Amino acid sequence: AQKVTQAQTEISVVEKEDVTLDCVYETRDTTYYLFWYKQPPSGELVFLIRRNSFDEQNEISGRYSWNFQKSTSSFNFTITASQVVDSAVYFCALSEAGFQKLVFGTGTRLLVSP
Amino acid sequence: EAGVTQFPSHSVIEKGQTVTLRCDPISGHDNLYWYRRVMGKEIKFLLHFVKESKQDESGMPNNRFLAERTGGTYSTLKVQPAELEDSGVYFCASRRDMGGEQYFGPGTRLTVT
Repeated sequence: AQKVTQAQTEISVVEKEDVTLDCVYETRDTTYYLFWYKQPPSGELVFLIRRNSFDEQNEISGRYSWNFQKSTSSFNFTITASQVVDSAVYFCALSEAGFQKLVFGTGTRLLVSP
Repeated sequence: EAGVTQFPSHSVIEKGQTVTLRCDPISGHDNLYWYRRVMGKEIKFLLHFVKESKQDESGMPNNRFLAERTGGTYSTLKVQPAELEDSGVYFCASRRDMGGEQYFGPGTRLTVT
């Protein structure tokens, strides 16, 4: 069975601090996909990134970076120099090959204060 | 291009009543998914349509839930009769094809009292 664990329920930081959101996954599939979604106060889920299981290269997009490590089954998300607009709930998710249903973690609420 | 829309944004009903949620996917997206998040827990998959056919309905909790997608366009999710544990946020997502991302709507917050 597939499972995603986000152990951090809520994180509070002050603007300009760096913050890392942890994600640990379980799957028996050899081919799978990992995702991060952002849920701002408006409620919709905004897609941030997708990685497949064969690509362990870290990715950087502006202030966002992702660290995928198959050895520890982790796909962590780091925000550098956090801003108030980063305040949201962040969900990590997993899907098997074929892009079928997503299995989500419980989410991490990030609060960035000025 | 318009995103995924859901109606209503919020619904409050009494236990035993019926509620119908609607999802309009992005135009041209054959794949439509329903998920729900209950009481701060994880977002859980309910079912997946490919056009008008149910591809996977393994996440539907019980027979009080009925999903339809007539004509392969918008979808409805009916809860009849609603129970207290059905309260939560119901998300809809759509995807164009096998290689695309799932785009989510804003969700419908259902409160059963």
